[in-house]
Amino acid sequence: ETGVTQTPRHLVMGMTNKKSLKCEQHLGHNAMYWYKQSAKKPLELMFVYNFKEQTENNSVPSRFSPECPNSSHLFLHLHTLQPEDSALYLCASSQGGGGAFFGQGTRLTVV
Amino acid sequence: QKEVEQNSGPLSVPEGAIASLNCTYSDRGSQSFFWYRQYSGKSPELIMFIYSNGDKEDGRFTAQLNKASQYVSLLIRDSQPSDSATYLCAVHGGNKLTFGTGTQLKVEL
Repeated sequence: ETGVTQTPRHLVMGMTNKKSLKCEQHLGHNAMYWYKQSAKKPLELMFVYNFKEQTENNSVPSRFSPECPNSSHLFLHLHTLQPEDSALYLCASSQGGGGAFFGQGTRLTVV
Repeated sequence: QKEVEQNSGPLSVPEGAIASLNCTYSDRGSQSFFWYRQYSGKSPELIMFIYSNGDKEDGRFTAQLNKASQYVSLLIRDSQPSDSATYLCAVHGGNKLTFGTGTQLKVEL
């Protein structure tokens, strides 16, 4: 069982669809993150949760809606996305001031 | 000013040479510093962390931290073609982890 697991690994969705990305961490960490990485661009921090509470929303459009029901699970709900939202979406977790451990990512394509 | 700055590269070094990757950060209150390696199409992998001023060695990797100059570096000795990747510097402060844009390293035969 890997430390941080993301599902699905690949997702193709239409602009009118609603889908959700799931992340689960088995490391006992108290912080979880969503990052977006577009082709040949740096990591963009989207959301941060500490002890289930959202502590950072990096000016993300409302068509992305995070949910953190407990310290081990994090979701990213997607609706009415645009083609430019196609990217690799990465979930990560960390403990205190420690380094973040990443999941394998979800490769999202919006058509 | 960006919170964490790195030269995007590419940095090209011959096989067997030392690769030197640099990073500066703006938040003087930052406490923890990390280096990640990311292969194309893959997620970042944590390879080094450093909390105190000075050097920290792990195998072929050495991380260096100078808090007064707000500067972190990563040295890779005896560089191998398999080291070719993008190296991301990350700084922890204010309850979040901030990444630099990454430096692309190419190790040439």
